[in-house]
Amino acid sequence: QLQLQESGPGLVKPSETLSLNCTVSGGSITSGANYWGWIRQSPGKGLEWIGSIYYGGSTYSHPSLSSRVAISIDTSNNQFSLRLSSMTAADTAIYFCARDHWQQHFDSWGQGTLVTVSS
Amino acid sequence: QSALTQPRSVSGSPGQSVTISCTGTSNDIGTYDYVSWYQHHPGKAPKLIIYDVNKRPSGVPDRFSGSRSGNTASLTISGLQAEHEADYYCCSYAGSYTLVFGGGTKLTVL
Repeated sequence: QLQLQESGPGLVKPSETLSLNCTVSGGSITSGANYWGWIRQSPGKGLEWIGSIYYGGSTYSHPSLSSRVAISIDTSNNQFSLRLSSMTAADTAIYFCARDHWQQHFDSWGQGTLVTVSS
Repeated sequence: QSALTQPRSVSGSPGQSVTISCTGTSNDIGTYDYVSWYQHHPGKAPKLIIYDVNKRPSGVPDRFSGSRSGNTASLTISGLQAEHEADYYCCSYAGSYTLVFGGGTKLTVL
C-alpha cells in the first residue's frame, strides 16, 4: 500500500523559503502514469493545489504561486520536494503531498504537516 | 483561475441522502471529465471517493455517487451514517496543466 509522509519545519519566518519533503513508500516514485503533487489548506479555508511534478522532471504549478514555487524529485530516495519562497502569514497552512494521477485526481495522500509563518 | 463553489455546510439525519454541489465554469467542470471528490476528516489524510465525475475507487461503497450537469458537479451520499460527518471537497482539471479545488463543504449528520 502506497504511503506518503511530509517532513519539514513547522515554523518559518516571514520572507524566508519553505522547504518540504515528501517520502514515498510502498511503491516506486517512477512507476505508472503518475505525477506527484502538493496541496495546502489554510486555516478555515479549503484545499488549494500548489503544483505537481512528473518523475521525468516536468513541473506545473498554480498560476498565482508559480513565481514562488519550485518542485523537484529525487528518484534515488523516492522523494519529492517543495520550495516556496518569500513566505508570508498568508502561507500559513497544512501542506499535503499526494500522488497525482495524470493531473486528473489525487489517489493517495499524506497526513499533512502544519507550517506556521511567524517571526 | 477561481476556486469551485461549494455550499459551506449541509446536514442530514442518519439514513437520509444528501447532495453536495460544486459549481465551476466552462473552463473546468463544463469541459473536462476529470472531476473528483475527497472526504476529509480533520487531522487525517484526505480520501479520494469519486474520480472522473462518477467513478468510485476500489473499496469506496456505492452509497457515494457522482454526477455532472453543465458546469455543476454533484456528490450524493445515501444512507447517511455518523462516520460520514466530514469535510468534502471537489476538484477539477482546469486546462493548461492546472487543477482547481472547491472551498469545501462541512457535512453534519444530525
